[in-house]
Amino acid sequence: ETGVTQSPTHLIKTRGQQVTLRCSSQSGHNTVSWYQQALGQGPQFIFQYYREEENGRGNFPPRFSGLQFPNYSSELNVNALELDDSALYLCASSATGGQGEVSGANVLTFGAGSRLTVL
Amino acid sequence: SQQGEEDPQALSIQEGENATMNCSYKTSINNLQWYRQNSGRGLVHLILIRSNEREKHSGRLRVTLDTSKKSSSLLITASRAADTASYFCASSTGANSKLTFGKGITLSVRP
Repeated sequence: ETGVTQSPTHLIKTRGQQVTLRCSSQSGHNTVSWYQQALGQGPQFIFQYYREEENGRGNFPPRFSGLQFPNYSSELNVNALELDDSALYLCASSATGGQGEVSGANVLTFGAGSRLTVL
Repeated sequence: SQQGEEDPQALSIQEGENATMNCSYKTSINNLQWYRQNSGRGLVHLILIRSNEREKHSGRLRVTLDTSKKSSSLLITASRAADTASYFCASSTGANSKLTFGKGITLSVRP
């Protein structure tokens, strides 16, 4: 059983550029969530994907967008990067029915994260 | 926005001692979870307690939940240097599996 893998692990961009982060979910998991974690803070929910559709979104602007693919892997895209976008981006997968907790689910398995620095 | 607030923000103890961390949340929840994070890496799930449960154990971990006070505590018994990490509580309302995390507690266990 493989865990959640994210790529790249580190990247540096300049303000105004665009970035794509990738995530492969754990085997058997059908839901992917993305979180942003600023330095010294807890993770903030960006959005969740289930069955290739966005299934919940946090307080992030539309320039944050995502995709989920038929194999449940996912991408996070951020356009027009701003300095405040510098953070650790965490992908997490879970085995839910898309409607919340199912038999003790909604336990998240996190990847190691992609650390984005915007200069 | 972050619903949970943990306290203390930082905790330093000697190996072998117990570590108690507290968490408060604001809205009604379906379950509350605790996660651990080492050095800015990914988070690891530790334990989940449902809203109709009051106490749960897993190995050296004991978690309690008081829904009337909207608070939870995590006790790590007989701490080890390897327990040094940041600990986060995360609440779930059950909708969309979204978790709302607190700011975290930094635990240092001195050998």
